Amino acid sequence: NAGVTQTPKFRILKIGQSMTLQCAQDMNHNYMYWYRQDPGMGLKLIYYSVGAGITDKGEVPNGYNVSRSTTEDFPLRLELAAPSQTSVYFCASSYQTGDGYTFGSGTRLTVV
Amino acid sequence: AQSVTQLDSQVPVFEEAPVELRCNYSSSVSVYLFWYVQYPNQGLQLLLKYLSGSTLVKGINGFEAEFNKSQTSFHLRKPSVHISDTAEYFCAGLFLKTSYDKVIFGPGTSLSVIP
Repeated sequence: NAGVTQTPKFRILKIGQSMTLQCAQDMNHNYMYWYRQDPGMGLKLIYYSVGAGITDKGEVPNGYNVSRSTTEDFPLRLELAAPSQTSVYFCASSYQTGDGYTFGSGTRLTVV
Repeated sequence: AQSVTQLDSQVPVFEEAPVELRCNYSSSVSVYLFWYVQYPNQGLQLLLKYLSGSTLVKGINGFEAEFNKSQTSFHLRKPSVHISDTAEYFCAGLFLKTSYDKVIFGPGTSLSVIP
């Protein structure tokens, strides 16, 4: 049982480059989320999805885009990387409201 | 507005001693509460959750937490810690009936267990 799988684990980007962070879950969870974690700040929600074809913005969506074409996959797109996007990114999923989240192991992104 | 506060950013404790990690929340709507643990270079794992019912909730690894509505608190406790409990601990609140069922994470408490 893989749970939530994130790739890549590490990435260095130059300012202005773009990339996609991949997230896949094999638990048939309806809800999926992208968070970023910055030191001393906890986790901030970037985007979330309540099911295939449905996505919405969280607290800090600027500079990011998402899509959810299948239940399993929820990729996060960075179009024009900026140093402020240096962070650790976590994907999470849950079956329904009130369930705890299952987190992936994270992607550490550095923008230089 | 809803918020989750963890006043202690770092908590050092000797091995086999008890520990309490504090969490307070502010909310005008119903709330579910969670504690997560994050070991170095890993994602977060769910320790325990409170949805309703008994205010004392037991979780994995010997942790427990007590929901106190009057004090708007959800403190995490363990009677005897081990070296392996060294990690970052996050309290989170799921605030119901907001624009979406919104989860807010506290800033985290770093627990260091001293041999």
